[in-house]
Amino acid sequence: GQNIDQPTEMTATEGAIVQINCTYQTSGFNGLFWYQQHAGEAPTFLSYNVLDGLEEKGRFSSFLSRSKGYSYLLLKELQMKDSASYLCAVRGDFNKFYFGSGTKLNVKP
Amino acid sequence: KAGVTQTPRYLIKTRGQQVTLSCSPISGHRSVSWYQQTPGQGLQFLFEYFSETQRNKGNFPGRFSGRQFSNSRSEMNVSTLELGDSALYLCASSLVPRTGGTYEQYFGPGTRLTVT
Repeated sequence: GQNIDQPTEMTATEGAIVQINCTYQTSGFNGLFWYQQHAGEAPTFLSYNVLDGLEEKGRFSSFLSRSKGYSYLLLKELQMKDSASYLCAVRGDFNKFYFGSGTKLNVKP
Repeated sequence: KAGVTQTPRYLIKTRGQQVTLSCSPISGHRSVSWYQQTPGQGLQFLFEYFSETQRNKGNFPGRFSGRQFSNSRSEMNVSTLELGDSALYLCASSLVPRTGGTYEQYFGPGTRLTVT
């Protein structure tokens, strides 16, 4: 079966750096996505990895290791507005998307 | 450019009824996917449509169905509603089918369905 694991909840301090991990086992792999979802809102796209390595986009970076079935999202210089859920998703065979349950990030002053 | 729109935003139904939800993708986007989001299960893929054809289907019972029109607008239907169908139903559109290149999905605000 398909399995995407990420921590349920994390807490970090404003200005700090936080890493949210995601491990996956899916039928096929055609890319890994990270989405941000604020409470009561729709998910918004953050990053995409299909090759091993680090993709950087401003304060957000995402890393992928296909051989380990592992990714992480790195958030730097945390701001209060970064408090949200972060969803890891894998595009598997036949363009099916599999989502993790999300990591709720709480940013404290 | 207008985003993905979904109607209605909120809906209350009783068990046994059926419901139809609507999604209008971003102009030019031809791929539309539907997801069910619940606190316990997270985001679950329902199905994807492209050019009026269902390209993919998740592991949901046949009570869940959908269709796409020539203008790329999509509807999903749930028949014989059960209490467990209470969830946020999200629609996402993307520029092209992701068979080679990858284009991110843009999500609508969702329809909150409550079954009593």
